[in-house]
Amino acid sequence: DAKTTQPNSMESNEEEPVHLPCNHSTISGTDYIHWYRQLPSQGPEYVIHGLTSNVNNRMASLAIAEDRKSSTLILHRATLRDAAVYYCILRGNQFYFGTGTSLTVIP
Amino acid sequence: ETGVTQSPTHLIKTRGQQVTLRCSSQSGHNTVSWYQQALGQGPQFIFQYYREEENGRGNFPPRFSGLQFPNYSSELNVNALELDDSALYLCASSQASNTEAFFGQGTRLTVV
Repeated sequence: DAKTTQPNSMESNEEEPVHLPCNHSTISGTDYIHWYRQLPSQGPEYVIHGLTSNVNNRMASLAIAEDRKSSTLILHRATLRDAAVYYCILRGNQFYFGTGTSLTVIP
Repeated sequence: ETGVTQSPTHLIKTRGQQVTLRCSSQSGHNTVSWYQQALGQGPQFIFQYYREEENGRGNFPPRFSGLQFPNYSSELNVNALELDDSALYLCASSQASNTEAFFGQGTRLTVV
């Protein structure tokens, strides 16, 4: 089974960058690395995904290690609306969520 | 805001009963997946359907079953409900299994 490991919680000051790490040492060659975030009582929201190369979009950046066994989600300037549980997921024909990282943004 | 809608939003059932949950996927999406999320936990993958065929399944017993229809909407059926089946059930649709998925708001199932 493809598994991910993330810290349970992290804190960041508002308007500072946040680096959310994820380890996925059992990743297979065809698994994509996805990141989603979830607010209380809502469905998960897509953030970003990639396969091998680093990726940027309007929400965040994804840095993928050369051996693909780890990745880092980068929020360039944290806002209060970024406070959520962030899930790092390996996606092939199955979609495994881990326990996620609860991000607290301090004003 | 996504185009994935789930119904009903809340449901209360008695242990031993059967339940059917529904999901309408986003236009153009042919892949639907279902998840169970217990309180305080991450979503657990139940299964995935691609063009009406199940093409992936998590560690859930056979009493969890599903269907995908020609319009790509989907149902999750749970037989012989147990108290531990109480959870938020989420569905997500995507164009393929490796592209971004859009989640619905979920159905909150309570088994008493």
